Amino acid sequence: EVRLVESGGGLVKPGESLRLSCAASGFTLSNVYMSWVRQAPGKGLEWVGRIYIRTDGGATDYAAPVKGRFTISRDDSKDTLYLQMNSLKTEDTAMYYCTTYDNGCFIYWGQGALVTVSS
Amino acid sequence: QSALTQPPSASGSPGQSVTISCTGTSSDVGGYNFVSWYQQHPGKAPKLMLYEVSKRPSGVPDRFSASKSGNTASLTVSGLQAEDEADYYCCSYAGHNLIFGGGTKLTVL
Repeated sequence: EVRLVESGGGLVKPGESLRLSCAASGFTLSNVYMSWVRQAPGKGLEWVGRIYIRTDGGATDYAAPVKGRFTISRDDSKDTLYLQMNSLKTEDTAMYYCTTYDNGCFIYWGQGALVTVSS
Repeated sequence: QSALTQPPSASGSPGQSVTISCTGTSSDVGGYNFVSWYQQHPGKAPKLMLYEVSKRPSGVPDRFSASKSGNTASLTVSGLQAEDEADYYCCSYAGHNLIFGGGTKLTVL
């Protein structure tokens, strides 16, 4: 059974940093593209970014609102995906979902990690 | 790039059919056959319902179908059931971006 479990969410102040983790099980992480999707309270879904597999260069793409501030990485040896978030803004407050990604869609989703940015 | 355009709400009675539209541009919906649809119940993570315009993942009832014409994709839920009441989001590949619609709240009357 595929399982994705996010952790690391919490309350931070504007300008601070936070790192989310996503532990994957039930499949081989190294073979799978991964992505992060967020949802602000009471709002819709927003793609954050994605990371390719190592054999495809391990490249990353990011949505414009987070480019330059957020970094997605993966440790396939630990079956873990990361989202490093720097220079956080109040508008980054959201539930962050870790997902598997293939052919333009998000297949499996974690339960989400809540990030609140507030002074 | 702007979010894809979905109606904020849709409704239907049990047994009826309802269609939700998702309008983008030639740079996203119209340019690729990578449109997907997600169902989200309150407090839950989204669930993939259709991908590559009209393909259903294993386990998704065939009451759910989708299509695309030009820059507009559509999701149809036939034989509405109470458990279909949820938020529905479309998403399109757009090169180095993925763009979601604003979401449609489907109410089963």
